[in-house]
Amino acid sequence: AQSVTQLDSQVPVFEEAPVELRCNYSSSVSVYLFWYVQYPNQGLQLLLKYLSGSTLVKGINGFEAEFNKSQTSFHLRKPSVHISDTAEYFCAVSFQGGSEKLVFGKGTKLTVNP
Amino acid sequence: AAGVIQSPRHLIKEKRETATLKCYPIPRHDTVYWYQQGPGQDPQFLISFYEKMQSDKGSIPDRFSAQQFSDYHSELNMSSLELGDSALYFCASSLIVRTDTQYFGPGTRLTVL
Repeated sequence: AQSVTQLDSQVPVFEEAPVELRCNYSSSVSVYLFWYVQYPNQGLQLLLKYLSGSTLVKGINGFEAEFNKSQTSFHLRKPSVHISDTAEYFCAVSFQGGSEKLVFGKGTKLTVNP
Repeated sequence: AAGVIQSPRHLIKEKRETATLKCYPIPRHDTVYWYQQGPGQDPQFLISFYEKMQSDKGSIPDRFSAQQFSDYHSELNMSSLELGDSALYFCASSLIVRTDTQYFGPGTRLTVL
């Protein structure tokens, strides 16, 4: 069975510090990988996605992620965070050649402190 | 740009009542997905439709049913509501030729009392 693991449920950081949110997946088939952000009482917004090609993908709001096939990871990074980045971040996968449904990780609550 | 529209945004029901949630996909999107996000939980896939046909089914209770109409909007019908059905229900849409990207609506928050 396919699964997504987000290793940190909460990540507190200070403003302008770098941050990495970790995501690992398990799958017997090739996957597409996604990061979504959810601000309080709002819907899910796509930050970035990996479909194929370059393993380093850049998204909105200065975020980027790197796909590592050997480690089955897709960690999200930002070199300098802002207060406004405080939100819940979800890693998700869908499976190439199969159902398009998204399987989400449990989420990481990023809190940026002044 | 037009986004996915969900209505109502908030809904309060009593136990054993019925609820209907509506989803209007992005124009020209032909595929709709429904997800349920319980309090403090990750979104869980319920069901999806393409061209008015069910394309996949997840952990959707038998008390729930859904359909997609000719104008591509979708409705999720929930009967015999239970306290545990209280959650945020998301609809997402995509193009079948680009199912690699789903665009989410703002969600409907259902509270069952």
